[in-house]
Amino acid sequence: AQSVAQPEDQVNVAEGNPLTVKCTYSVSGNPYLFWYVQYPNRGLQFLLKYITGDNLVKGSYGFEAEFNKSQTSFHLKKPSALVSDSALYFCAVRDIRTSYDKVIFGPGTSLSVIP
Amino acid sequence: NAGVTQTPKFQVLKTGQSMTLQCAQDMNHEYMSWYRQDPGMGLRLIHYSVGAGITDQGEVPNGYNVSRSTTEDFPLRLLSAAPSQTSVYFCASSYMGGGNEQYFGPGTRLTVT
Repeated sequence: AQSVAQPEDQVNVAEGNPLTVKCTYSVSGNPYLFWYVQYPNRGLQFLLKYITGDNLVKGSYGFEAEFNKSQTSFHLKKPSALVSDSALYFCAVRDIRTSYDKVIFGPGTSLSVIP
Repeated sequence: NAGVTQTPKFQVLKTGQSMTLQCAQDMNHEYMSWYRQDPGMGLRLIHYSVGAGITDQGEVPNGYNVSRSTTEDFPLRLLSAAPSQTSVYFCASSYMGGGNEQYFGPGTRLTVT
């Protein structure tokens, strides 16, 4: 069965420091992986995705993520955090062999960037 | 483009009442979906559609109906509201192909008393 874990409910980081939001997944085949961000009282916005190719994926607002097949992880990173990055972050996975109803979202990680 | 729009933004229902949450997109996306978001549980798929006239159930379909008569619109109907349906509901759309990202609406916050 597919699953997505975001082991940290909350991540706190000082402004200007690097940030990491963790995601691990379980699928039986090869995955499509996504990161979305949700600002308060808003819908989710797409940040980046891994489909195939280079394991390091760059996305919006300076975010990047590294696909690690052996560790089944897709951690979100940013070299220098901004206060405006404070939001809820969701990892999502889809097994490329399954149908659309098998897109699984993680529970979300709340990121707080402290000035 | 307006993207994905949802109405209403907020709604309070009494147990047993019915209502329809509206969703529309202007990007000509084939795929549309409804999710509910509950604290600590991420997003759970309720129903989805891969084109006009084609719908299917997601992870938590009970108590909800959908239809898709046009590419643009994908309403979600609550048949007889229950307190367990108190949640935030998001509509999303995308192009076909599992590697395509979804575009989300702003959400509807529903409270059932």
